Amino acid sequence: EVQVLESGGGLVQPGGSLRLSCAASGFTFSSYAMNWVRQAPGKGLEWVSGLSTGGGSTYYADSVKGRFTISRDNSKNTLYLQMNSLRAEDTALYYCAKIVGVIRRGAMDVWGQGTTVTVSS
Amino acid sequence: QSALTQPASVSGSPGQSITISCTGTSSDVGYYNFVSWYQQHPGKAPKLITYDVSDRPSGVSNRFSGAKSGSTASLTISGLQAEDEADYYCSSWTTSYTLVFGGGTKLTVL
Repeated sequence: EVQVLESGGGLVQPGGSLRLSCAASGFTFSSYAMNWVRQAPGKGLEWVSGLSTGGGSTYYADSVKGRFTISRDNSKNTLYLQMNSLRAEDTALYYCAKIVGVIRRGAMDVWGQGTTVTVSS
Repeated sequence: QSALTQPASVSGSPGQSITISCTGTSSDVGYYNFVSWYQQHPGKAPKLITYDVSDRPSGVSNRFSGAKSGSTASLTISGLQAEDEADYYCSSWTTSYTLVFGGGTKLTVL
């Protein structure tokens, strides 16, 4: 079964750090670009970051640029999101998603169930 | 990186057709044919229903169809069914090398 499973969420104080992981299975992980997308409680979807197949091209939303870093380990079939200098407005459910084809397509056909990040003192 | 503009809500009766619009700019929807639509039921992850403006992933009903004219994309759902009641989001790649979503549209099946 094709799936992705996020982990690493939790409660963190403002200014703190957290690393999210996304374990992929059922498909050739190294052949697909990946995205992180978040959804604040009761709000819409917000794209956070994208990464090319080999990890050489990274893309970020302005709201997280300079604070978040996306990476992947194709040998472990795992995508990561390192989040630093966290703010209250980063509180959200974070989804990992597989992209159909090139990253510009933005079409995400496999989504996890998400991991919750809460930034609060 | 302004969000794409969608109506907050639309409604229709079973069997009817509805259309949800998604308005962007010449830097996103108007530039690329990389518009996708997602369906999200409460408490669930989003599901891809159309991509590249009008293509459908395998397994998605042909009652869902996408289109684009200029900087406005649209999703039409024909033969409305109760299970179509959900939130719908459009997205587009932008010339700033980012992905932007619409604010979401809540579809109510009357």
